[in-house]
Amino acid sequence: AQTVTQSQPEMSVQEAETVTLSCTYDTSESNYYLFWYKQPPSRQMILVIRQEAYKQQNATENRFSVNFQKAAKSFSLKISDSQLGDTAMYFCALGGSQGNLIFGKGTKLSVKP
Amino acid sequence: ETGVTQTPRHLVMGMTNKKSLKCEQHLGHNAMYWYKQSAKKPLELMFVYNFKEQTENNSVPSRFSPECPNSSHLFLHLHTLQPEDSALYLCASKGRGGLGTDTQYFGPGTRLTVL
Repeated sequence: AQTVTQSQPEMSVQEAETVTLSCTYDTSESNYYLFWYKQPPSRQMILVIRQEAYKQQNATENRFSVNFQKAAKSFSLKISDSQLGDTAMYFCALGGSQGNLIFGKGTKLSVKP
Repeated sequence: ETGVTQTPRHLVMGMTNKKSLKCEQHLGHNAMYWYKQSAKKPLELMFVYNFKEQTENNSVPSRFSPECPNSSHLFLHLHTLQPEDSALYLCASKGRGGLGTDTQYFGPGTRLTVL
């Protein structure tokens, strides 16, 4: 079975600082995708960043980057220069060959001024 | 309009009511999904449609009935719901195959309250 675990229910960070959200997963598939989605209080689920498992290079999207450790099945999200608008729930998700997503329980991030 | 839209955004219904949730995607995608998001729980996949055909029903009770008349529209018909069905219902869509189209795009959700 495929699983996604986010061990940090809540985190906080000062504005302009850097924060890292953790995610571990388990899958028996050799080709899969990993995602971080953001869900602000407005509830719209927004894609933050995506990583294809076959790519060794870590994905980067502006202030967001991942540390993808395939052997360890770890996929953490680093947010640099945190902004107030980054306050949201962050979900790690695993996508397999069937196209469906398995989500973690989420990490509530609060960015403090 | 662009992206994935859902109506209504909020819905309050009694246990004996019948209502429907609507999802529409303007992205030219071929796969559509219904998810349930309850407090303190991960998102739960409910139904998957590919090219209008249901490809997955994740052991969802029959009081939830999906309908996909075409690749752009997805409905979730609700009847005789229970209070524990109160949740945020999210719709998502995804393009066909290929590395560039594996991402699911979500609508804003419908907040459902069952009294």
